[in-house]
Amino acid sequence: NAGVTQTPKFRILKIGQSMTLQCAQDMNHNYMYWYRQDPGMGLKLIYYSVGAGITDKGEVPNGYNVSRSTTEDFPLRLELAAPSQTSVYFCASSYSGAQYFGPGTRLLVL
Amino acid sequence: KQEVTQIPAALSVPEGENLVLNCSFTDSAIYNLQWFRQDPGKGLTSLLLIQSSQREQTSGRLNASLDKSSGRSTLYIAASQPGDSATYLCAVSLNQGGKLIFGQGTELSVKP
Repeated sequence: NAGVTQTPKFRILKIGQSMTLQCAQDMNHNYMYWYRQDPGMGLKLIYYSVGAGITDKGEVPNGYNVSRSTTEDFPLRLELAAPSQTSVYFCASSYSGAQYFGPGTRLLVL
Repeated sequence: KQEVTQIPAALSVPEGENLVLNCSFTDSAIYNLQWFRQDPGKGLTSLLLIQSSQREQTSGRLNASLDKSSGRSTLYIAASQPGDSATYLCAVSLNQGGKLIFGQGTELSVKP
């Protein structure tokens, strides 16, 4: 049972480049989330999904997009990378209670 | 607006000591509260989940309490070990499936 998996683990992007952060869960959870963690700032919610085909914005959605075509997958898209998007990105999932987190993707935008 | 605060920001204790980490939240209308552990460069590991109707939860040497009326939760760690060294995060959810609102964390160091 893999839980929540994320790829890649680390990535360096140039300003203006695009990329997709992958997230998958094998627990059949209906809720999925994307957070970013910045030093000294705690975790902030970017986007979330309550089920396949349904997504909504969190606190800091600007510069990101998501899709949820299946229950298992919840990719996060960065269209035009900016230095302000340098962060650690965590994907999480839940059924109705505890949230379970993936190992994170460390992104550096130069 | 719900805010979560954790005090202290950092704590250093000798091995074997019992310790308490504090978490406070401004709005008592929470759905649940979750405590996490985060090791450097790693993801978040869920330690304990307390539903709003519960007063405490226990797992091994860990005990978490919840007092909704005063907006407080504590994480009690018994007989601390160097392997307990990590950052501990508290987070509240306002509804089922809702986002988590995190505190800034307490960085714990247990010295041998």
